Amino acid sequence: GNSVTQMEGPVTLSEEAFLTINCTYTATGYPSLFWYVQYPGEGLQLLLKATKADDKGSNKGFEATYRKETTSFHLEKGSVQVSDSAVYFCALTPGGGSYIPTFGRGTSLIVHP
Amino acid sequence: EAGVTQFPSHSVIEKGQTVTLRCDPISGHDNLYWYRRVMGKEIKFLLHFVKESKQDESGMPNNRFLAERTGGTYSTLKVQPAELEDSGVYFCASSKGQTYGYTFGSGTRLTVV
Repeated sequence: GNSVTQMEGPVTLSEEAFLTINCTYTATGYPSLFWYVQYPGEGLQLLLKATKADDKGSNKGFEATYRKETTSFHLEKGSVQVSDSAVYFCALTPGGGSYIPTFGRGTSLIVHP
Repeated sequence: EAGVTQFPSHSVIEKGQTVTLRCDPISGHDNLYWYRRVMGKEIKFLLHFVKESKQDESGMPNNRFLAERTGGTYSTLKVQPAELEDSGVYFCASSKGQTYGYTFGSGTRLTVV
């Protein structure tokens, strides 16, 4: 079946540090890949997505590249801010007529001033 | 436009009691989804409505859970009787069509004691 594995959290960084949150997936066919973010007290929001191999999704300074050869979709940001503190979820939709996302466990990011 | 609204935001009930969660989707969104996140684990799909019909309820854990969507508008998720393992955050999401992006609500945190 389909699955998403994320690195364990929490990830604790100082402001302006470089961020990487690892995500790998297992899926048949050609999935689309997503990163969602949940800020404290809010719902999940789509952060970025990529729909085919070698696509790079980007938004708000975050980037992730769809790597089919390593089945990965790692989230990166060059310089984090305190306001980036949130829980980040990697997800996939398998395609082939199925659009229900499969989520990872989420990774909590804490950024200190 | 108003977002997806869920209430209550928090609920603490005793084992054996009944709880009803409500989700108001974005107006005009035919697709409504329920998800659950048990502490520290993946966000798991529960079920999917298209208008008032259950399109997919493969994720419902057992018959203590009952979801309805009266008239294709708001939806309720009832847990009766609640067990300790039902504790978690219940998310609702809606979308205009299955290939459109989801909008998530901020979730209901259910604690069964």
